[in-house]
Order: sequence, then C-alpha cells, then structure tokens
Amino acid sequence: SYVLTQPPSVSVAPGKTARITCGGNNIGSKSVHWYQQKPGQAPVLVIYYDSDRPSGIPERFSGSNSGNTATLTISRVEAGDEADYYCQVWDSSSDHAVFGGGTQLTVL
Amino acid sequence: EVQLVESGGGLVQPGGSLRLSCAASGFTFSSYWMHWVRQAPGKGLVWVSRINSDGSSTSYADSVKGRFTISRDNAKNTLYLQMNSLRAEDTAVYYCARAGAGGSYYVGYWGQGTLVTVSS
Repeated sequence: SYVLTQPPSVSVAPGKTARITCGGNNIGSKSVHWYQQKPGQAPVLVIYYDSDRPSGIPERFSGSNSGNTATLTISRVEAGDEADYYCQVWDSSSDHAVFGGGTQLTVL
Repeated sequence: EVQLVESGGGLVQPGGSLRLSCAASGFTFSSYWMHWVRQAPGKGLVWVSRINSDGSSTSYADSVKGRFTISRDNAKNTLYLQMNSLRAEDTAVYYCARAGAGGSYYVGYWGQGTLVTVSS
C-alpha cells in the first residue's frame, strides 16, 4: 500500500516561513491535499490539488508537488498557525485515501 | 452552510456492534461522495471508508473490511457506518466527511466527530 512520510515536528519563529514536507514514491504524479488540525478540533482543508486554496484560507498558505516530495509552505507564520498538519493522497490502485502521519507545527 | 453532525458513538464491549449516523445539511447530499475518517487518541488521521453519491460503490480500509459497512440514505440526507466485531484498536473519534467541491478524492468538510470507545 502507498505510504506518505511526514516529519513529526517542525518549529519556526513568528514571521518566518515554515515548510512541511510529505514524501511518497513518485508523489508528483498524484494530487496532494493538506489539512490543518488544531487541538480538540476537526481538521480543516487548507490546500487541495497540490496548490489550490479553499476560500477563507489565507494566501500565506501554499503548496507544491514534484518528484517524491510535496511541500506545504506557510509564509509569515503566526501563532495561530500552530497545529498538526496532514497530507493526503488517493491511492487509485487500492481505491483508498492515504494520510501522512502528521506534522506538529510549533511557533516559537 | 455545510453541516455534518455525527451521532451514535459511545462505550461498547469488544466484539460488540455500533451504528454511527451523520446528518448532513447545507448542500445537495446526493451529489457528493462521503467518507469516514477516524483518529485514535493522540494519533493521526486514518481513512476508514467511502461511498459514492448514489450508494452503489463503496471501499474500505483493510483494517475494517468485512466488519464495517458504510451506507447512505439520500432521502434522509444521512450517512451511516455500521461497525461489527469491534476491537480495542477501533477506539477513536470517527469523523464524517464530505468530498471536496472539486473532486471526490479529498475531504472538503468535516463533522465534529463522535467518540467510539471499545473496552470491557
């Protein structure tokens, strides 16, 4: 089955740029979606189809996908961005969704 | 406004059964794929199952295949998850989720979740 690998944690100072990676075999050939989950809350979609933003998501959130790595980039990080972030793809061979293990973003 | 409200969670003994429901509103329910996603305490998101818009096609994670059944009633705008032969490892918050507006293979909206605890 398809596996997505994320770093367990990323730390960044306020105002700086955070980059959260999601690794998978030839992930560049798949569409990657990203979710933000704050403690005690349901997840929220922040990026879909590699780089599209849903309405209401700040432009500070962007995504890219190439080769074996997809990246969620958060510019000008704010304290309110502190959360767990999950990447997700659809594995068409198994007809399953696959989530990465999640990355805890800490704002220093 | 899209709303997804789960119900039916609770404490159940190993080997027992539970049926989760998800009441949907604020969108044309019959037009969207729906998913169930779960999250064990302190752990990450795990996809459980999906159903297409008319209920004719379903898919399950290997860990629940043969024990869980996803279904929907488009007349009642309700999604279900019948869970049988429950195990301790099924303990989790179960989220009802609607596919995205731009495609079926990601989640556009999430419910608040319902907690299922499997324990004796």
